[in-house]
Amino acid sequence: SAVISQKPSRDICQRGTSLTIQCQVDSQVTMMFWYRQQPGQSLTLIATANQGSEATYESGFVIDKFPISRPNLTFSTLTVSNMSPEDSSIYLCSAQWGYTQYFGPGTRLTVL
Amino acid sequence: ELKVEQNPLFLSMQEGKNYTIYCNYSTTSDRLYWYRQDPGKSLESLFVLLSNGAVKQEGRLMASLDTKARLSTLHITAAVHDLSATYFCAVRETSGSRLTFGEGTQLTVNP
Repeated sequence: SAVISQKPSRDICQRGTSLTIQCQVDSQVTMMFWYRQQPGQSLTLIATANQGSEATYESGFVIDKFPISRPNLTFSTLTVSNMSPEDSSIYLCSAQWGYTQYFGPGTRLTVL
Repeated sequence: ELKVEQNPLFLSMQEGKNYTIYCNYSTTSDRLYWYRQDPGKSLESLFVLLSNGAVKQEGRLMASLDTKARLSTLHITAAVHDLSATYFCAVRETSGSRLTFGEGTQLTVNP
């Protein structure tokens, strides 16, 4: 299995600022994913991040708002840019390992 | 666009009873997942179902997959309070790698 850690676990940010979330996997994985879970809702895929290529964004999500880096096979970052209260959510990193997709503990973001 | 629907969305049951959660999806898939999420926690992988007729069991939970009907079920046997959580199914399309999640079923098991 894969163990995934995220930093920070939570943050409270001011409107208009940016936050970068880090995701570390204890094994080398080809595909990493970033999800958003708004309060009381299900998970929505933001983008897929493959090492050595640009991230692939889902409909409704754009690179300027959610830039992603994937510098190696164990690490990725997601930045939430120019934040507004609507960005208050839990952001989860995920990685495919074998047949299973594992999830990190999440970053709980509150934007004031 | 792949759609995944779970029902019920809310389920309150007594300890010791049996119940089934249903997950329907709208297009062909090669992989279906069940996850558990406790309040304030991340997702815990319960089952990965890979083929038609697949059945997996762990403790009081049993998951099955019917790819022809595009239906998966999560059956709970003799529920206990510790099973209280939100359960999500997630489907991977045959053509891709992304997962589409159902809305989740919030299960409460009452003593």
